[in-house]
Amino acid sequence: DSGVTQTPKHLITATGQRVTLRCSPRSGDLSVYWYQQSLDQGLQFLIQYYNGEERAKGNILERFSAQQFPDLHSELNLSSLELGDSALYFCASSLDRGGNTIYFGEGSWLTVV
Amino acid sequence: QKEVEQDPGPLSVPEGAIVSLNCTYSNSAFQYFMWYRQYSRKGPELLMYTYSSGNKEDGRFTAQVDKSSKYISLFIRDSQPSDSATYLCAMSARDGSEKLVFGKGTKLTVNP
Repeated sequence: DSGVTQTPKHLITATGQRVTLRCSPRSGDLSVYWYQQSLDQGLQFLIQYYNGEERAKGNILERFSAQQFPDLHSELNLSSLELGDSALYFCASSLDRGGNTIYFGEGSWLTVV
Repeated sequence: QKEVEQDPGPLSVPEGAIVSLNCTYSNSAFQYFMWYRQYSRKGPELLMYTYSSGNKEDGRFTAQVDKSSKYISLFIRDSQPSDSATYLCAMSARDGSEKLVFGKGTKLTVNP
């Protein structure tokens, strides 16, 4: 158990809908990262927050947004969902903004139908 | 050319075999190299972390980095069925995880 908690574990939704994925980082970790994993693209970095502020952006679509709250939990919002958004979404956390090691949660499996 | 290339396998070996997993990369600025293990439907977990060139050993696992060839390897000795998983290499150009670039992973099965 990495200590990173993600909910929900699975969800199925229709195209055009919006979902919110939630992440609680390990106790004491200030950085939260979001990754998307699909069979064809592998693990893709989406965005990082450090202590409530956006720190780095990767291949995140404009339809997606994220935030980190004062209690350091984070949410990833996915809107206007398309079939191609079906993937495993991972949250990871690290102690500082440029941690040597990051710890992944179990992931949220999103299926868009 | 992709930044990081990793043979997806699958790789199937008998228990006790020595396993060699490899990645090549194109960005000469990469300095930090990691191997993650991911069991089916689980999050990746960090196995090995190395900086620059050289070898690092941890139990049955050895990580090698050859920066001149832009090539990294993970060796697993005395492989066990519990080693069956997908192994992902990852690397970054500085000590910042936000710049971590992952390979697509190699699926390994160790048969008892």
